[in-house]
Amino acid sequence: RKEVEQDPGPFNVPEGATVAFNCTYSNSASQSFFWYRQDCRKEPKLLMSVYSSGNEDGRFTAQLNRASQYISLLIRDSKLSDSATYLCVVNGAGGFKTIFGAGTRLFVKA
Amino acid sequence: NAGVTQTPKFQVLKTGQSMTLQCAQDMNHEYMSWYRQDPGMGLRLIHYSVGAGITDQGEVPNGYNVSRSTTEDFPLRLLSAAPSQTSVYFCASSQTGNSPLHFGNGTRLTVT
Repeated sequence: RKEVEQDPGPFNVPEGATVAFNCTYSNSASQSFFWYRQDCRKEPKLLMSVYSSGNEDGRFTAQLNRASQYISLLIRDSKLSDSATYLCVVNGAGGFKTIFGAGTRLFVKA
Repeated sequence: NAGVTQTPKFQVLKTGQSMTLQCAQDMNHEYMSWYRQDPGMGLRLIHYSVGAGITDQGEVPNGYNVSRSTTEDFPLRLLSAAPSQTSVYFCASSQTGNSPLHFGNGTRLTVT
């Protein structure tokens, strides 16, 4: 079993749609969680950290369920510019090994 | 404010050649790491360092060496390049092991 698993995608959605990505992790001692965005042939960039209480940043909402070892990202009112690969990222116990999911590709179409 | 700087951006090697990928950061981050990204595999951790003089192996360390003589620099050495090392390599740094990562622009390496 992979340490971090994501929906395989790709997701093809129209502009204005709401889309949700899911991610599960295997190490129950994991301490910190993030969503990154990666555009084609570019480096990953931090989208948002994920907190136990859930957090929101504009159109983006992240949730963490430690009991189920599950992370989610919700994008509301999708824009063409949201088209990218979204990476679920988990830091292991001690925080020294950051593990990336394989990513979920999102295509937003006009 | 340069952030994380990687060089070179592109490199072609022949099997058996050696080379060093350079990585430098100017944010005084203690934690630095190297990843490789292959299609469909996501980013995989090669080596990481929690401070000057301290390095450790990640998921896929074979064929690579690292050293951390200063806080700023974390070079990755390919000892004897193999076609399986064809990949995109990213260097990253963070303030702590639990902080978000800042990435360099990547190095696209092809081994023929």
